[in-house]
Amino acid sequence: GAGVSQTPSNKVTEKGKYVELRCDPISGHTALYWYRQSLGQGPEFLIYFQGTGAADDSGLPNDRFFAVRPEGSVSTLKIQRTERGDSAVYLCASSLSGTVHNSPLHFGNGTRLTVT
Amino acid sequence: DAKTTQPPSMDCAEGRAANLPCNHSTISGNEYVYWYRQIHSQGPQYIIHGLKNNETNEMASLIITEDRKSSTLILPHATLRDTAVYYCIVKGAGGTSYGKLTFGQGTILTVHP
Repeated sequence: GAGVSQTPSNKVTEKGKYVELRCDPISGHTALYWYRQSLGQGPEFLIYFQGTGAADDSGLPNDRFFAVRPEGSVSTLKIQRTERGDSAVYLCASSLSGTVHNSPLHFGNGTRLTVT
Repeated sequence: DAKTTQPPSMDCAEGRAANLPCNHSTISGNEYVYWYRQIHSQGPQYIIHGLKNNETNEMASLIITEDRKSSTLILPHATLRDTAVYYCIVKGAGGTSYGKLTFGQGTILTVHP
């Protein structure tokens, strides 16, 4: 079946611009996560949605970052006033439920964001 | 969540078993051990997880020591496609979600022909 889909796969933007990154989770998965991965590092947690609500946004680095999931399916990560330090691969993952141990994450292949 | 320690890199010959160790000496009783791997230019992929019993699935086996302070992921017949970064993660019921994972640096496994 279809996995987690992320678009675009690559995004190049200029410093100061606004970007939106989209994630289509696996159908029926109620939990959705955003992670960020810098070169040579493991992924870092950004935000977790259970349904439509952000249950944990403790990983968002600052108020330039915001994410929504209005209908409990597709999610958009929004970054305002981009900075060169925002350059990374942004990964989305979904799972059947975030509150049980045997509900593994299914990751997309990420959006590579480059801020010039 | 308990911290994990993994060797930075390992090599394995194709067709042989790959045994990837993980130390988690501060693990507590309700924390699970999860393994994910990440092949170049792809997102992480779930492999297996366990609490205290050994586990096996179609991808791998997970052996957890009796004191739970360490574990080993076993790929029984490694192939070139198993070349990846392997992450060992300890996660419990505390916090908001089992999916809020802390990835370390992982082990880069290289499978040679």
